[in-house]
Amino acid sequence: GAGVSQSPSNKVTEKGKDVELRCDPISGHTALYWYRQSLGQGLEFLIYFQGNSAPDKSGLPSDRFSAERTGGSVSTLTIQRTQQEDSAVYLCASSPSSGIGGRDSGYTFGSGTRLTVV
Amino acid sequence: GEDVEQSLFLSVREGDSSVINCTYTDSSSTYLYWYKQEPGAGLQLLTYIFSNMDMKQDQRLTVLLNKKDKHLSLRIADTQTGDSAIYFCAERMDSSYKLIFGSGTRLLVRP
Repeated sequence: GAGVSQSPSNKVTEKGKDVELRCDPISGHTALYWYRQSLGQGLEFLIYFQGNSAPDKSGLPSDRFSAERTGGSVSTLTIQRTQQEDSAVYLCASSPSSGIGGRDSGYTFGSGTRLTVV
Repeated sequence: GEDVEQSLFLSVREGDSSVINCTYTDSSSTYLYWYKQEPGAGLQLLTYIFSNMDMKQDQRLTVLLNKKDKHLSLRIADTQTGDSAIYFCAERMDSSYKLIFGSGTRLLVRP
């Protein structure tokens, strides 16, 4: 697509329920990132996918969080047994490459999913 | 360690220049970015600068980099009400794909 698409744009869920957030990156972008933006905070790195390589999951805050990327394209971030502190905007971004050791590739961000856990 | 600091809030009058400041701690940062976030929207890349540059200008935007002091600034000339948004500074090392963001500066442009 023309940009990074995320769905849903808003999600309200009850504490303890599982949620799935979807990201559809720009076609041809091999790198995909998930970030979390809590109220009044900067962006917190969650996870990174690059092509067929093993993802960097070092930013996931707990084992309730997981993500997958199918076919090198669409990614799903899953939060199990949601807690109130999971309430945030979850942003997905993609880029043509990782940019490591070469010219900058820049991220393109989606509009995010605002998750509210009540 | 990696840390990016920004002031939280800036208010300017329409037509004036805005200067948003950022400091970072990692001297090995290779790329430094400015992103803009409007209400309810994702982050939009405004501009970026390589660490071997001192200045970059793009229309109304001027980025200044002081590597010695690890200080980055974004100047917006002739600020308009449409410039009201949150501005994020971010850094990235050449050896990493990860962007490290500051907490953002909320710019309010008064008519």
